[in-house]
Amino acid sequence: DAGVIQSPRHEVTEMGQEVTLRCKPISGHNSLFWYRQTMMRGLELLIYFNNNVPIDDSGMPEDRFSAKMPNASFSTLKIQPSEPRDSAVYFCASSLGLAGANEQFFGPGTRLTVL
Amino acid sequence: GDSVTQMEGPVTLSEEAFLTINCTYTATGYPSLFWYVQYPGEGLQLLLKATKADDKGSNKGFEATYRKETTSFHLEKGSVQVSDSAVYFCALSDITNSGGYQKVTFGTGTKLQVIP
Repeated sequence: DAGVIQSPRHEVTEMGQEVTLRCKPISGHNSLFWYRQTMMRGLELLIYFNNNVPIDDSGMPEDRFSAKMPNASFSTLKIQPSEPRDSAVYFCASSLGLAGANEQFFGPGTRLTVL
Repeated sequence: GDSVTQMEGPVTLSEEAFLTINCTYTATGYPSLFWYVQYPGEGLQLLLKATKADDKGSNKGFEATYRKETTSFHLEKGSVQVSDSAVYFCALSDITNSGGYQKVTFGTGTKLQVIP
């Protein structure tokens, strides 16, 4: 069975450009998470969806970041406009049931570089 | 709020050495505890977990015991291999005050390097 799928795997863009990261969770999982990983700040939860509804977006850095989950099999994380400090590895994860109670399955990540 | 504190790395060991990575936590409720592992270039994957006090989680030769009295969940392995080289994350999940969902809090990670 396929795991969590993220695209693209690598993205290099220039400051001010719009960036869209994509995620396909494991089929049947109803919780989805977006994380950001940097050397300085470690792993940060950006947003959590349950049954396609955003439950906790308190980790979204600012209005430049937005996330959507139009259906159970697809989610996007958009940064507009992008800035060099957004450079990081962005992970999508999914789990069955409510967050925290069960194992989270992580995708391979998208490495974003903003020049 | 909830927090997880891990020993700073990197930890460098020779093959077949004994491994301990310390993890302590602060939580308001009765959390579940996890160890995740991240191999180079990959996402995190669950290594083991424990859901209540005195539980021992184990997998692939790794063990960790949920110690409520010391609020700890130290990771141990009796004999490490080169293939164990990775970053290890301690995490907890606990009910938050908003929405009643169990938010997962990750530690900063400890890099392990095993040399032949």
